[in-house]
Amino acid sequence: GESVGLHLPTLSVQEGDNSIINCAYSNSASDYFIWYKQESGKGPQFIIDIRSNMDKRQGQRVTVLLNKTVKHLSLQIAATQPGDSAVYFCAENVPPSRRGANNLFFGTGTRLTVIP
Amino acid sequence: KAGVTQTPRYLIKTRGQQVTLSCSPISGHRSVSWYQQTPGQGLQFLFEYFSETQRNKGNFPGRFSGRQFSNSRSEMNVSTLELGDSALYLCASSLAGEGASGYTFGSGTRLTVV
Repeated sequence: GESVGLHLPTLSVQEGDNSIINCAYSNSASDYFIWYKQESGKGPQFIIDIRSNMDKRQGQRVTVLLNKTVKHLSLQIAATQPGDSAVYFCAENVPPSRRGANNLFFGTGTRLTVIP
Repeated sequence: KAGVTQTPRYLIKTRGQQVTLSCSPISGHRSVSWYQQTPGQGLQFLFEYFSETQRNKGNFPGRFSGRQFSNSRSEMNVSTLELGDSALYLCASSLAGEGASGYTFGSGTRLTVV
């Protein structure tokens, strides 16, 4: 499969601080990137996505930055809250070989712990 | 609306046995994808079904198979279980496999092979 990795497996931040979770990807043809949040006992939940023709996208308290030059993706969470504690995955989508097919490759995840 | 439902939530099986997992997608969703999640490998794509047809397949041995019914519910089967098959199996549904942002994941089935 594709190589989608994370720089740090765990991250601890103080409540109220900003969090930055990093991700490296390997396929320069990837056209779409997604961040997921997975809480204990639940499936991954979509947070935010970004297409390869963009450098930055903002959501509610979250920002995703894409640096195609170094194949790097980051997720910034502003004013981190205890409810943000979870595992965060990045995923890259490689254009499918045929219409409708999906080629989504996930990283192994970073566990974010928010300290009250 | 009801989310993606996976049953059972937990399973314990013995090596050599087979297992069938079920996934009921969100009403109206026709695409179901299956993933295996392990601590070391993360989420690995198994296969995707759309309108009862397997549309895409990951790099898993033939012991892993699946199917989709006319009501879009999907099952996956693992035969001759191995210890390494212990994992969380997730399914995700979408309207028409239009892209991963349209995915909704279920909570998964935790399979333990002993």
